[in-house]
Amino acid sequence: GESVGLHLPTLSVQEGDNSIINCAYSNSASDYFIWYKQESGKGPQFIIDIRSNMDKRQGQRVTVLLNKTVKHLSLQIAATQPGDSAVYFCAGRALTFGSGTRLQVQP
Amino acid sequence: DAGVIQSPRHEVTEMGQEVTLRCKPISGHNSLFWYRQTMMRGLELLIYFNNNVPIDDSGMPEDRFSAKMPNASFSTLKIQPSEPRDSAVYFCASSFTGANTQYFGPGTRLTVL
Repeated sequence: GESVGLHLPTLSVQEGDNSIINCAYSNSASDYFIWYKQESGKGPQFIIDIRSNMDKRQGQRVTVLLNKTVKHLSLQIAATQPGDSAVYFCAGRALTFGSGTRLQVQP
Repeated sequence: DAGVIQSPRHEVTEMGQEVTLRCKPISGHNSLFWYRQTMMRGLELLIYFNNNVPIDDSGMPEDRFSAKMPNASFSTLKIQPSEPRDSAVYFCASSFTGANTQYFGPGTRLTVL
């Protein structure tokens, strides 16, 4: 089966700094991953995805890196803003979600 | 588009009572998912439907839980009888079949006393 988890339950950063949220997975055959953002009182919202044939994918202020060797992926948020404060989940194709990392942006 | 619609947004009930949660997926989406979120267990997939047919219900915790999708625009998740440990936020999500991006509703916060 597929297990997806996150490294840190909470990450605190200063406004304007870059944030890096990490995620590990167990199944080396996993071929697709999604990052979701969940704001307080709301459902998860799609941010960015990546397929296993890629090492990196960029969106608007966000970059996802995939390291298949160590079965690790990360979400990087550039110039973190207060509106980025949320819980971030990585998920695999098997619809398994990690426990989430809460990103707190300090003004 | 209004997005995924869930009702009620909040539900407080007593142990033993029947609870019915409702979901209207995004029009045109043919896959629908029910999730449960708690602090202890995070976000768990309960069941998902494709073209109104249940595909995988292995996440349904026990027989007290049942889900139906009578048509493409409506689904229910029923708990009977409810127990305090069922207290959680229940999310419904929808997507196009084969698409991996799911669109989540705002959730129903269930409290069973």
